[in-house]
Amino acid sequence: DGGITQSPKYLFRKEGQNVTLSCEQNLNHDAMYWYRQDPGQGLRLIYYSQIVNDFQKGDIAEGYSVSREKKESFPLTVTSAQKNPTAFYLCASSLGGSRGAETQYFGPGTRLLVL
Amino acid sequence: AQSVTQPDIHITVSEGASLELRCNYSYGATPYLFWYVQSPGQGLQLLLKYFSGDTLVQGIKGFEAEFKRSQSSFNLRKPSVHWSDAAEYFCAVGASGTYKYIFGTGTRLKVLA
Repeated sequence: DGGITQSPKYLFRKEGQNVTLSCEQNLNHDAMYWYRQDPGQGLRLIYYSQIVNDFQKGDIAEGYSVSREKKESFPLTVTSAQKNPTAFYLCASSLGGSRGAETQYFGPGTRLLVL
Repeated sequence: AQSVTQPDIHITVSEGASLELRCNYSYGATPYLFWYVQSPGQGLQLLLKYFSGDTLVQGIKGFEAEFKRSQSSFNLRKPSVHWSDAAEYFCAVGASGTYKYIFGTGTRLKVLA
């Protein structure tokens, strides 16, 4: 079955630690996205990638980093510079090429908690 | 600036009753509009979308939405709600020329038996 997988489902971070969230898709989509979800705030875009080896900052990129070395994978690293990382993180993908007029498909999410 | 407003944070309806969730957007050009549903601790599932054409859009799970340009609205409706519809619903706008979606803050639906 085609889809998006995110791992782990829960992740715990200690103070000063970097952690990496995994996102993999087998939909053959070019575009991938990372969102952060906080209660009452909807979804906010962290980073997005239109193609391999290219990515752009979203609205709240500070304290986060990404890479896009493979079409299928778009890992997100939450660095120690992100002072309030506790949130639900969602990865999404879309076909790419039809800006705005594309359906984004979402993974099941990773909940990050700070110890 | 582009924005999406979902005025109702919480809505409670009885099972079998009709449902309407409101969504208003602010965008200069023709928007691409989406409704997603999210069950607790899960990702978002697409219910329906509007790109062009017929302004009444049918989606999955018996949902429909109507695009009203004059009111800048894209309200979601269902004639008879089931207990399994309890979830959080998000309206989103896709801006032409960008890959960005603008999401509303969501409406949490509670269904009474």
